[in-house]
Amino acid sequence: EVVMTQSPATLSVSPGDRATLSCWASQSVNSNLAWYQQKPGQAPKLLIYDASTRATGIPARFSGSGSGTEFTLTISSLQSEDFALYYCQQYNDWPPLTFGGGTKVEIK
Amino acid sequence: QVQLQESGPGVVKPSETLSLICTVSGGSLGSYYWSWIRQSPGKGLEWIGYIYYTGSTQYNPSLKSRVTISVDTSRNQFSLKLSSMTAADTAMYYCARINFSWKGVNWFDPWGQGTLVTVSS
Repeated sequence: EVVMTQSPATLSVSPGDRATLSCWASQSVNSNLAWYQQKPGQAPKLLIYDASTRATGIPARFSGSGSGTEFTLTISSLQSEDFALYYCQQYNDWPPLTFGGGTKVEIK
Repeated sequence: QVQLQESGPGVVKPSETLSLICTVSGGSLGSYYWSWIRQSPGKGLEWIGYIYYTGSTQYNPSLKSRVTISVDTSRNQFSLKLSSMTAADTAMYYCARINFSWKGVNWFDPWGQGTLVTVSS
């Protein structure tokens, strides 16, 4: 099973600042990685797939990078609606499809 | 656009079987993979399994012995049965569509709003 690890668990950021979230895989997942955003009381929402491709309707301030075992989600200038939980998910080696433990982006 | 809605009991007794249904609207089940995912405070997001519209399935090995996913194309629904429920199965259960390509199944989009299932006597 590919274990996904996210860091940090909580990230305190001021509105307008840049946020950098990390996701590591226990073995190479190539570029087969997705990022999701989850707000309180809502289901996760797809942000990024194939490590760096924004999903339909996702603002350009969200960007993904990385391949192999190290990945980054960057939010270039945090807006109030961006404070949420973020998860990574690999789809290179399954079953099972696996998720990271999440990073909470909170207001500093 | 496609929307998914989970339905089922909010409370299940220990040792009983959970039955959930996901109803798909705004599109058909055809030519897609459909999945169940759960989220609990202790284990985060956990993929349960998926089904193709033809009925072929793949399950998480950790749950395989207890899981059955089936599809009803005439009703545009797919369902989850999870047997021998324990407190550890208390979670929010989501259904979602899986994107797929020549590489296989990929990411989940869209998701249903989720349904909270509590295991309690």
